[in-house]
Amino acid sequence: DAGVIQSPRHEVTEMGQEVTLRCKPISGHNSLFWYRQTMMRGLELLIYFNNNVPIDDSGMPEDRFSAKMPNASFSTLKIQPSEPRDSAVYFCASSFQLMNTEAFFGQGTRLTVV
Amino acid sequence: LAKTTQPISMDSYEGQEVNITCSHNNIATNDYITWYQQFPSQGPRFIIQGYKTKVTNEVASLFIPADRKSSTLSLPRVSLSDTAVYYCLVGAVMDSNYQLIWGAGTKLIIKP
Repeated sequence: DAGVIQSPRHEVTEMGQEVTLRCKPISGHNSLFWYRQTMMRGLELLIYFNNNVPIDDSGMPEDRFSAKMPNASFSTLKIQPSEPRDSAVYFCASSFQLMNTEAFFGQGTRLTVV
Repeated sequence: LAKTTQPISMDSYEGQEVNITCSHNNIATNDYITWYQQFPSQGPRFIIQGYKTKVTNEVASLFIPADRKSSTLSLPRVSLSDTAVYYCLVGAVMDSNYQLIWGAGTKLIIKP
């Protein structure tokens, strides 16, 4: 398996534009996680899914952020409208089960909102 | 409020043993403690996981006391390539909801 695949690797967009980040988890993994990382706030868990169902989205900063997982092999994180403070590295991770198991992280998407 | 606390940074020298401790006061009864390593421009990578007492693998050991309110990651004979940020992660039940609690990370710098 190629691991968790995220796209794009880098995204530069203007404030107010819609941004969509994509993630393909490892085949056979049932849990998927979206994280955001910045120097100021560190690593933040935004939302996670189990068997394609969102379990906890309490980390999603505000209504501008939304995430979907239409099937077991694909998830998106959307920001609409984007703001400069959304600039960060966004990681997607997947694991075989929700608890007590190793999570595998993608390479991340570096988002810059200007 | 459940939280994990770990030192912000640590320095050591090649060949030394490094111990990083994380406190997690509200860990869920059935949850494991997991440690990750992160290099610049990469996602975190799993190092080791344990439930109680001691766990050892090819890269590290994890020591967990009986009350499970803390854990210590031990890296034997570190090298320059062990310079990275190390995170502890636990699960906690808050308001009947299961939540993943990450530490803020410990930046480990290994000197020659």
